[in-house]
Amino acid sequence: LAKTTQPISMDSYEGQEVNITCSHNNIATNDYITWYQQFPSQGPRFIIQGYKTKVTNEVASLFIPADRKSSTLSLPRVSLSDTAVYYCLVGDMRSGGGNKLTFGTGTQLKVEL
Amino acid sequence: DAGVTQSPTHLIKTRGQQVTLRCSPKSGHDTVSWYQQALGQGPQFIFQYYEEEERQRGNFPDRFSGHQFPNYSSELNVNALLLGDSALYLCASSLEGGPNSPLHFGNGTRLTVT
Repeated sequence: LAKTTQPISMDSYEGQEVNITCSHNNIATNDYITWYQQFPSQGPRFIIQGYKTKVTNEVASLFIPADRKSSTLSLPRVSLSDTAVYYCLVGDMRSGGGNKLTFGTGTQLKVEL
Repeated sequence: DAGVTQSPTHLIKTRGQQVTLRCSPKSGHDTVSWYQQALGQGPQFIFQYYEEEERQRGNFPDRFSGHQFPNYSSELNVNALLLGDSALYLCASSLEGGPNSPLHFGNGTRLTVT
């Protein structure tokens, strides 16, 4: 399973763009990159998933360079409610891959006024 | 469309006792995974069930066992509870056969062992 490394914590202010980078040097060919958000005493919530280049949805963008050894989650114009732990996961999402995702300790994002 | 539901939300047990946690997957999902999350840590994979069988298992002792029913719901059983088993237990469901099927998590069961 590919190991991921991400910053332990980040601070930002409301209205700013936040970029959280994750390193996954030993990512395998069939691995996808998935980001989750978790608030205290709640389960992780799916944010975005990608395989290569750029993926965008209504809440975030995910940038993946050609070598796929890292990825960057971009949160545009954060608000106080974005204060949470963000997890970067790498795993084989194919049928039979088992979705046995490995969570690290995540990045604690704190957004202030 | 109901998401993943877990019961109970909180539970207090004594060391040595046994506990059963329950999970109903998101509608349309057929695969259930269980995770243990200690305070301040990321979730740790316990095992996954598909077609009523344990398909994958993480680094957890045999005291942790599970079951999946024909309606895809699942139970997690922990025997001979230890103080270190105190954690948030998360259930996640997904759709087998969906190539990009992300996990959908419930809000967990907070287990306290005294």
